[in-house]
Amino acid sequence: GAGVSQSPSNKVTEKGKDVELRCDPISGHTALYWYRQSLGQGLEFLIYFQGNSAPDKSGLPSDRFSAERTGGSVSTLTIQRTQQEDSAVYLCASSLQDSLLKPDTDTQYFGPGTRLTVL
Amino acid sequence: AQSVTQLGSHVSVSEGALVLLRCNYSSSVPPYLFWYVQYPNQGLQLLLKYTSAATLVKGINGFEAEFKKSETSFHLTKPSAHMSDAAEYFCAVSGRYNQGGKLIFGQGTELSVKP
Repeated sequence: GAGVSQSPSNKVTEKGKDVELRCDPISGHTALYWYRQSLGQGLEFLIYFQGNSAPDKSGLPSDRFSAERTGGSVSTLTIQRTQQEDSAVYLCASSLQDSLLKPDTDTQYFGPGTRLTVL
Repeated sequence: AQSVTQLGSHVSVSEGALVLLRCNYSSSVPPYLFWYVQYPNQGLQLLLKYTSAATLVKGINGFEAEFKKSETSFHLTKPSAHMSDAAEYFCAVSGRYNQGGKLIFGQGTELSVKP
């Protein structure tokens, strides 16, 4: 079946502009994660959505970052007033997380990422 | 709190040689452990995972890893390296999903394979 998809694949923006990054998880996956991959910081957790629970926002680096997940499916990560240090690859992942302990329930499947460059 | 340490940011082996990538973890809850591989300009692909069943875990592409609780290690091995194994490898730890299933990654190890 279809994997996790992300758009755009590349985004170049000017400092101070807002950007929106989109993630389409695997159908039926209740959990969705955003991570950031940068040269200086490696792979960092940003935010986690699980069903109708309040999201875990503990990894968001500043209040310029926000994310939403509409209808339990598609998610959008928004970065306001972008800074050069926001340049990174933003990765989205989804997992089944079924309480009935189905096989593979905890495995996160990653999308190809969005490469963000802030000039 | 959970953390992962990968020893060696870069490992170079000859084709046909043993591959050993080291990972040590710290976790206050029974951990789930993962190895992911990332090829250039691609996303992360799961190689294998440990979720408290067998301690020796076999993954794709001939890789395997052994969970050693006494050593808090989860090293990745492959008996014979292939040129196509050249990539970056990430070890990660998480709790169960109901403990917050976010992945905590190591810094990554870049594997080079020489002909």
